[in-house]
Amino acid sequence: NAGVTQTPKFQVLKTGQSMTLQCAQDMNHNSMYWYRQDPGMGLRLIYYSASEGTTDKGEVPNGYNVSRLNKREFSLRLESAAPSQTSVYFCASVWTANTEAFFGQGTRLTVV
Amino acid sequence: GESVGLHLPTLSVQEGDNSIINCAYSNSASDYFIWYKQESGKGPQFIIDIRSNMDKRQGQRVTVLLNKTVKHLSLQIAATQPGDSAVYFCAETPHTGANSKLTFGKGITLSVRP
Repeated sequence: NAGVTQTPKFQVLKTGQSMTLQCAQDMNHNSMYWYRQDPGMGLRLIYYSASEGTTDKGEVPNGYNVSRLNKREFSLRLESAAPSQTSVYFCASVWTANTEAFFGQGTRLTVV
Repeated sequence: GESVGLHLPTLSVQEGDNSIINCAYSNSASDYFIWYKQESGKGPQFIIDIRSNMDKRQGQRVTVLLNKTVKHLSLQIAATQPGDSAVYFCAETPHTGANSKLTFGKGITLSVRP
């Protein structure tokens, strides 16, 4: 099992460009999450999907959109990248609430 | 708003000593608590969890203590080793079923001195 797979691992964007971060899990988990991690800020929730077909905003959703394409895949889109979105992005999945979350290896995004 | 936070940003311990990492939470509805370890360049990895109906849970070299009265969570690592050097996060979810958000604290860096 691969667990949670994120692509790409690294990305550099120019201000105003768009891109989609991909996340896929092969554990048949119901819920998926997108976090960003900045120095001294810990992990902040951007969006989450409690189940296939549903998405909800987290703590810092502005500037992002998400799509729960199917049970396996949860993508994060930046429509117009800004330098403030420079961060490391992590995708996570859980089977159900109150169970262990599994994380991907992260995507390091730099917006110049 | 509800948040999970940690008391100290860094902790330095001597190899072989015990480590105690503390975490405070503010959501009284929190039902499930987890400690994660994050090594440099990697995603967080599960260490141990505890549910709100428990006060203590032990794993291999790790113990989690939960004090619901003061909303405090701690992670104890016995005989700390160099491989324990990492950032540690506490996280919590409220008991709201499928729509539970997983909220993380800011993290604390554990540095093990040889």
